Amino acid sequence: KQEVTQIPAALSVPEGENLVLNCSFTDSAIYNLQWFRQDPGKGLTSLLLIQSSQREQTSGRLNASLDKSSGRSTLYIAASQPGDSATYLCAVRGGSQGNLIFGKGTKLSVKP
Amino acid sequence: DAGVIQSPRHEVTEMGQEVTLRCKPISGHNSLFWYRQTMMRGLELLIYFNNNVPIDDSGMPEDRFSAKMPNASFSTLKIQPSEPRDSAVYFCASSTSGRLDTQYFGPGTRLTVL
Repeated sequence: KQEVTQIPAALSVPEGENLVLNCSFTDSAIYNLQWFRQDPGKGLTSLLLIQSSQREQTSGRLNASLDKSSGRSTLYIAASQPGDSATYLCAVRGGSQGNLIFGKGTKLSVKP
Repeated sequence: DAGVIQSPRHEVTEMGQEVTLRCKPISGHNSLFWYRQTMMRGLELLIYFNNNVPIDDSGMPEDRFSAKMPNASFSTLKIQPSEPRDSAVYFCASSTSGRLDTQYFGPGTRLTVL
């Protein structure tokens, strides 16, 4: 059974700092991996999707990497801003059904 | 274009009552998903519809939960009778076609069962 773990559960950094969020998964047989952002009281917003054949994806200040063989992904946020404060969720698609399996998220707080 | 719409946004009810959550997917999307989010278990898929047909309901916790999709623009998730352990945020999501496509999430319904 696929399990997705995100460490740390919470992170607080000063504005302007570069940071890395970690995601690990137990079964490397995945279709793709997706990073989401969740703001309080709101739904999830897709940030980046990496196909299993890809190593990384970039969007603005965000860069996500995927090492399928080791079961790891990282989300790199450059020059963090207070508006980046949110919970970041990692999810993998895999197995016979292709369902999204989510980690419990990392709650990020960027202090001005 | 409007995103996924869910109602109500908040629901407080007493144990034993029937609860109905509603979802309107993005127009043109053929797939609809219901998820539940709790602190203990995180986000879990409850049921997945494709072209209004339930394809995978393996995540539905028990017979007290039921979901319908009578047409392409409307779905309901019903809990009868509700229990305190059903308290959670319920999300609806839709995608263009199938589970491998990007899913777009609604704002969620926060359910509290007293």
